[in-house]
Amino acid sequence: QAALTQPASVSGSPGQSITISCTGTSSDVGGYNYVSWYQQHPGKAPKLMIYDVNNRPSGVSNRFSGSKSGNTASLTISGLQAEDEADYYCSSYTSSSTWVFGGGTKLTVL
Amino acid sequence: QVQLVESGGGVVQPGGSLRLSCAASGFTFSSYGMHWVRQAPGKGLEWVTFTRSDGSYKCYADSVKGRFTISRDNSKNTLYLQMHSLSAEDTAMYYCARSGDYAQPYWGQGTLVTVSS
Repeated sequence: QAALTQPASVSGSPGQSITISCTGTSSDVGGYNYVSWYQQHPGKAPKLMIYDVNNRPSGVSNRFSGSKSGNTASLTISGLQAEDEADYYCSSYTSSSTWVFGGGTKLTVL
Repeated sequence: QVQLVESGGGVVQPGGSLRLSCAASGFTFSSYGMHWVRQAPGKGLEWVTFTRSDGSYKCYADSVKGRFTISRDNSKNTLYLQMHSLSAEDTAMYYCARSGDYAQPYWGQGTLVTVSS
């Protein structure tokens, strides 16, 4: 149950687009279309932003989008805003019928 | 609206036990699977355990298997996490989360467990 691999940090200026990668294996990310992404602001509970690779829950801005290729999933945030500054975590269902999270990525809006 | 409220956290000595609770409201608790997810101070999220809506199936992360037990009382709309043989590595904020197919769309605010002598 090794954690999925995410970059420790990414940054971008307001209005720009950024992409956060999430690399796993064929036993998790590559094997299922059950990748989700969570946003977490300091001291707050995580918030679901993307589920099933590329679906947005009701109320989540369409500036957030997800995709997957092979064993790597990606979260793209377009039109970056100051409020997007947060930690982001990917998660995947696994072949062991468990779930695994990525190590998290800190997004800084410059 | 969906509400999940965790309780039961606190300071416990190494080797000790603790039981966490998660009170659910705003949805039909007996229709949804439930998770526990933890986050050590300054660290990332770690999935801990899951139980199906009727409690008939449970799965655990390797790091807690044999020490933690998830259970639920659908008549009380409450989820539990019984933790034994606690060590410093179990120090974390513990969140309960409602399942939504294969994601976790609703989370509580967490309860803090500190394992220290």
